[in-house]
Amino acid sequence: QSALTQEASVSGTVGQKVTLSCTGNSNNVGSYAVGWYQQISHGAPKTVMLGNSLPSGIPDRFSGSKSGTTASLTISGLQPEDEADYYCSTWDYSLRARVFGGGTKLTVL
Amino acid sequence: EVQLVESGGGLVQPGGSLRLSCAASGFTFSNYVMTWVRQAPGKGLDWVSSIGGSGAGTHYADSVKGRFTISRDNSKNTLFLQMNSLRAEDTAVYYCARVSGSFGPPDYWGQGTLVTVSS
Repeated sequence: QSALTQEASVSGTVGQKVTLSCTGNSNNVGSYAVGWYQQISHGAPKTVMLGNSLPSGIPDRFSGSKSGTTASLTISGLQPEDEADYYCSTWDYSLRARVFGGGTKLTVL
Repeated sequence: EVQLVESGGGLVQPGGSLRLSCAASGFTFSNYVMTWVRQAPGKGLDWVSSIGGSGAGTHYADSVKGRFTISRDNSKNTLFLQMNSLRAEDTAVYYCARVSGSFGPPDYWGQGTLVTVSS
């Protein structure tokens, strides 16, 4: 069981806005920046969000936010190439460990 | 351009050992915390270990504590993972990643190296 909770699957149509969530607690999401990672067909993870900062080269339809112990990744204007698995991760100071969510499979209909 | 290139993966028998390397370039290696993350076949991402920029301050997942050792050679811009007493459940693709800030999320990832533990 993952320390961070993500939806198992989310779907949306091209052009739609979708939001993925990542829920933890005060020891992790509530205290540290959350990273979001896109993985296509089990290739290498690609960083799409660091906290609420967009890494270089990532389209600005991706945005990140956090409220309390839940972080969110929003994709505005969903594209076919956004279909992938998405993972969130942050540090947990109680566990003294990096923790990951179980991943969300995003399907573009 | 930041680049991370892992090597050293392969097939090893249960109880065996393997040493993974991660060659870094494009940034001041000693300034960054580095981490290993693995992914078993069909499973999600799973953190293995992290190490501070100077080589001090190491952390391990409970599943590998006492069996794996993370280290780095800042003169050669290389990160290592010594894996001993390997088990079938250690079979995975192992990724090295650069961490943004002391406890920030990873920002750059390597392509990964496959470790298969099987007799």
